[in-house]
Amino acid sequence: QKEVEQDPGPLSVPEGAIVSLNCTYSNSAFQYFMWYRQYSRKGPELLMYTYSSGNKEDGRFTAQVDKSSKYISLFIRDSQPSDSATYLCAIGGTASKLTFGTGTRLQVTL
Amino acid sequence: DVKVTQSSRYLVKRTGEKVFLECVQDMDHENMFWYRQDPGLGLRLIYFSYDVKMKEKGDIPEGYSVSREKKERFSLILESASTNQTSMYLCASTVHRANEQFFGPGTRLTVL
Repeated sequence: QKEVEQDPGPLSVPEGAIVSLNCTYSNSAFQYFMWYRQYSRKGPELLMYTYSSGNKEDGRFTAQVDKSSKYISLFIRDSQPSDSATYLCAIGGTASKLTFGTGTRLQVTL
Repeated sequence: DVKVTQSSRYLVKRTGEKVFLECVQDMDHENMFWYRQDPGLGLRLIYFSYDVKMKEKGDIPEGYSVSREKKERFSLILESASTNQTSMYLCASTVHRANEQFFGPGTRLTVL
């Protein structure tokens, strides 16, 4: 079993839709949860960073962590074509290393 | 803003060549990382460094070495490039051990 599982997609939604992206993880020692966005042929850029269970909101983006279920989510409201990218979840423990999901490719269509 | 730069965006090398990939960060970060990214496999950690002249193996160090002579610079070396090292290589840095990592733009390496 992989430490972090993420559906690769692709996920295609119409503009304005609410998008839900998810990851599950197996190691209960993980404490830090991040979402990165990666445009084609670019490096990943940090989108959201959370520590502990609960929700964190930033504009149209909401990150949700459920440590009891080992499940994290990223919601995108009012999705735009510019949101079309690959979204990577990344999870860390007390050491410096992060474990990444394989990424979900999102396409927002006009 | 944190800036992580990588020496080349695209690189084409021949099998057996020695390849150097350079990464520079301008935020005085202690920790630096090298990953490779392949379709369906995600990001895999090759090596990381907590300080100057210090290095630790990641999950897939075979065929690679690293050098960190200055705090801002972390180099990845392919001693004898092979075709299975064709990949996207990403460098990242972070100030604290368990903090978010900031990535460079990546180097797409093709080994023929």
